[in-house]
Amino acid sequence: GAGVSQTPSNKVTEKGKYVELRCDPISGHTALYWYRQSLGQGPEFLIYFQGTGAADDSGLPNDRFFAVRPEGSVSTLKIQRTERGDSAVYLCASSPRSATTDTQYFGPGTRLTVL
Amino acid sequence: AQSVTQLGSHVSVSEGALVLLRCNYSSSVPPYLFWYVQYPNQGLQLLLKYTSAATLVKGINGFEAEFKKSETSFHLTKPSAHMSDAAEYFCAVHTGRRALTFGSGTRLQVQP
Repeated sequence: GAGVSQTPSNKVTEKGKYVELRCDPISGHTALYWYRQSLGQGPEFLIYFQGTGAADDSGLPNDRFFAVRPEGSVSTLKIQRTERGDSAVYLCASSPRSATTDTQYFGPGTRLTVL
Repeated sequence: AQSVTQLGSHVSVSEGALVLLRCNYSSSVPPYLFWYVQYPNQGLQLLLKYTSAATLVKGINGFEAEFKKSETSFHLTKPSAHMSDAAEYFCAVHTGRRALTFGSGTRLQVQP
């Protein structure tokens, strides 16, 4: 079946611009996660959705970052007033529920470059 | 808070040699532990996971890992490396907070 998909695969923007990154989870998965992976590092948690609501947004670095999942499926990560330090690969993952033993299935990521 | 330490950011082995990638965790509660592999320009793929059943966990592609509570370790091994194993490997811990906490990764090179 189809896996997690993310669009765009690459995004280049200028400092100060607004960007949106999209995630399509595996059909039927209720839990959705966003992570950020900087060069040479492991992924770092940003936000977790259970259904439509953000159950844990403690990983968002500041209020320029926001994410939504209005219908409990597709999610969009929004970054306002981008900064060069936001450059990273943004990963999305989904899991059937949100049990701690559930496998998280990752998408290929969106590489964001802020010039 | 939970954390994961992966010793060795780069590991190089010869084809056919033993692969050993080290992972130590820190957790105040019983952890669930995962190994993921990341091939170039691809998403993270689960290799195996420990969820408090058997301490020796077998995964895909011939990999296995052993949970050792006394050593707070979850090292990944494979008896015989193949060229296709060249990738980046991440250990992660999950302790009830929904998100995974990842180590910084180990890049495995396989020499012919």
